[in-house]
Amino acid sequence: ETGVTQTPRHLVMGMTNKKSLKCEQHLGHNAMYWYKQSAKKPLELMFVYNFKEQTENNSVPSRFSPECPNSSHLFLHLHTLQPEDSALYLCASSARTGGFQNTEAFFGQGTRLTVV
Amino acid sequence: GNSVTQMEGPVTLSEEAFLTINCTYTATGYPSLFWYVQYPGEGLQLLLKATKADDKGSNKGFEATYRKETTSFHLEKGSVQVSDSAVYFCALRMGETSGSRLTFGEGTQLTVNP
Repeated sequence: ETGVTQTPRHLVMGMTNKKSLKCEQHLGHNAMYWYKQSAKKPLELMFVYNFKEQTENNSVPSRFSPECPNSSHLFLHLHTLQPEDSALYLCASSARTGGFQNTEAFFGQGTRLTVV
Repeated sequence: GNSVTQMEGPVTLSEEAFLTINCTYTATGYPSLFWYVQYPGEGLQLLLKATKADDKGSNKGFEATYRKETTSFHLEKGSVQVSDSAVYFCALRMGETSGSRLTFGEGTQLTVNP
């Protein structure tokens, strides 16, 4: 248990569905991240939020829509996905200090997404 | 840009064998370096880290030394166990200018047989 909880653990959705992934951390961190892990590819950073503000979007298609209502919660809203979006989606959090340094990232267990 | 290159897997060893997983990096500046481990069905867990040259990170019998001259951070363990079977990721993180984003290698699958 790392203190970062993701739900659901598994999700199967059709290409016309709308679903959301949820991430919650109780570590007092103020930075949260979405990563995508596809087979045979390096982990890809998707989004970064610092103090609830999005600070990075790595050219992610608009069918992925993140939301960070507070420093403890992060969502990834999904709509009209493609089969190639099937992957493990990992959430992480870290603490960002006033000196712009960061602690190491703690990861959730991931949501295994299958798009059919 | 920054990048991490890991030894290709999969790696299969017998219990008590010596493990080395190579990792080299390219970075503009002086990154912090990490090894993460992912057990089957789980997310990533930090295994060890080093934040400056010549630092040695260690945890659970694993070690890695930050070598600036060879831009490497190879993971080693003297005697592996079946429970060490997992995917191992090398990663780097730059300092202030890049926030806290991690750049990962592709991961190396390790299987340890009894």
